[in-house]
Formats: sequence, structure tokens, C-alpha cells
Amino acid sequence: DQQVKQNSPSLSVQEGRISILNCDYTNSMFDYFLWYKKYPAEGPTFLISISSIKDKNEDGRFTVFLNKSAKHLSLHIVPSQPGDSAVYFCAATAAGAQKLVFGQGTRLTINP
Amino acid sequence: DVKVTQSSRYLVKRTGEKVFLECVQDMDHENMFWYRQDPGLGLRLIYFSYDVKMKEKGDIPEGYSVSREKKERFSLILESASTNQTSMYLCASSLRVGLDGYTFGSGTRLTVV
Repeated sequence: DQQVKQNSPSLSVQEGRISILNCDYTNSMFDYFLWYKKYPAEGPTFLISISSIKDKNEDGRFTVFLNKSAKHLSLHIVPSQPGDSAVYFCAATAAGAQKLVFGQGTRLTINP
Repeated sequence: DVKVTQSSRYLVKRTGEKVFLECVQDMDHENMFWYRQDPGLGLRLIYFSYDVKMKEKGDIPEGYSVSREKKERFSLILESASTNQTSMYLCASSLRVGLDGYTFGSGTRLTVV
């Protein structure tokens, strides 16, 4: 049972435009949602997170939006840069839980 | 900054060999995790540990075991390596999961031939 789903395996965006990565979840007990970025041959690095009491969190070029009623979150990157080309994983967890549940990942390619 | 160090970046092993993947973290985190990453399958949890000598099975524990004799070290053991265990293995640690999530190591690319 895939509790966190990223339905787009890949996304291609032109440099300077907005990249929007999507993530859906099924477990209404999730309280925290996170995005990780992964380059080839490296471990994932934490990007941004959001608590379920918020609907938006911003950090520089990165904004995460949470729609609890739709059980949907998205990561916006504006403007997209070539260094943003990577695999992005969304993850979720409940308060007090010991582990994250990850989506399958979306490969983002930024074209010059 | 928390550092999670995996002992090898690349490994090539033969089918049937016993393989040890080592992971060390330097920030006194209670929780440690082993994942494998495969294209299209995302990050799948193999085992995790929330204390010394404690371990819990993840989603795909078959063919693997773990050892946590010290708080800072979490080892993944492939009892008898098989070609379907060729993968990227990622170790992670956390103090509490919440908004902080995990810190991952750089990964070990294991090829079983």
C-alpha cells in the first residue's frame, strides 16, 4: 500500500521557468511533510518541510504548498536553475512516528 | 552539522558472498535506518533501529540483517549476496523525525556479479 505517491516519474522544465512537483498521500494521520533532493551517486539532502497546521512554507526559491482536504502537496521552484536537475522525493510522517514514508521520486531536468 | 558516513562509495561482490555495509553517525542520534534506492521504486526501508541492540524490520528485510552494537554505528549485512541486491544503499540517522527528517549518508553503490 503506497501511502505517499509521486505520480510523475519525470518532469522537464526550461531554465528560468517554474517547476512544480506533486505528491499525494492517503494517510490522514500524517503531520509532517518533507522534500528531499538527490543527485546521482549522492545521498538525499533535506530541502524543505511543512507541518500540517500550515498550508504554505517558503525558503528562497522553494515553496511547499499543502492541501489537507485533497491530501496533496506540491513543491514549487522559482526560477528553475540547471543545478536543480535532480531526483526529488516527498516524504511524510506522523507526530511521534519513528520513520518517514517516501514517494517514488520525480526526476526533474532543467533545460538551458 | 550531522555527518553520516558510509564506509564505501562503490562495492563489487560475487554472488553468495557475505557483505557488510557500515554506517557511522557523529551526532548521538537514536534512530538509524537502511534504505535501498532502485529506479521507479523510490526509497524502500530495509531495517531501522531506534536504540542500541534494537532493530525493526522495514518493508523489504528479506535477505538482509543488521547490527547495532554501538549507538553511532549501524551495519547492514547481506547474508548471501544475490544479483537482485544490486542497488544503491543509503544509511540515515535522526534524533526525532518530525520536521527535521533524516540526515543521509552519501550512499554505497553495490554491484553483485
